[in-house]
Amino acid sequence: EAQVTQNPRYLITVTGKKLTVTCSQNMNHEYMSWYRQDPGLGLRQIYYSMNVEVTDKGDVPEGYKVSRKEKRNFPLILESPSPNQTSLYFCASSFSREVQPQHFGDGTRLSIL
Amino acid sequence: GENVEQHPSTLSVQEGDSAVIKCTYSDSASNYFPWYKQELGKGPQLIIDIRSNVGEKKDQRIAVTLNKTAKHFSLHITETQPEDSAVYFCAAVATGTASKLTFGTGTRLQVTL
Repeated sequence: EAQVTQNPRYLITVTGKKLTVTCSQNMNHEYMSWYRQDPGLGLRQIYYSMNVEVTDKGDVPEGYKVSRKEKRNFPLILESPSPNQTSLYFCASSFSREVQPQHFGDGTRLSIL
Repeated sequence: GENVEQHPSTLSVQEGDSAVIKCTYSDSASNYFPWYKQELGKGPQLIIDIRSNVGEKKDQRIAVTLNKTAKHFSLHITETQPEDSAVYFCAAVATGTASKLTFGTGTRLQVTL
């Protein structure tokens, strides 16, 4: 089954404690992206990756890092989480940036205390 | 960059009635317009999309219309059912360019019995 898998699905943690949210897709997609979803703001792109070792900033990259060492994986790293990063996060992938649509994971709800 | 506005933010209809959600976009270069449905606890799922070379597309009870001149597109759901209750997002992008998928802020649709 074609899917985008995120882990963990839920996480409560404290300010400053480094965390990583993993994302894996099994569709051999080149393009992967991270979004955060906040009430009234829709989905905003954090970072994206066009292919292995190629990443770039989206609209709201501050406080986040990503890496793309393998085609299927695109982890989101919060080096020093802060309360304003409390949000619902989605990973998505597509064949390429030019060829839509994007397939989304089921989300990771992060609470930073 | 692209800006997508979506209305209404909430919509309540009775089962069997039709629902219409409207979006406007700002970038005349945008040429791909997907609609996503997000159920509780799930990631957005593509339900229908339209490209700028067509004015309307239908898939059973769901249809999307596009007016390129006015830069707006709409989602129409006929004969609504309780399982249509969800949050719906529109989005726009100019594929083949360096632009990204820009989402509207979402519409919460409630179908009442």
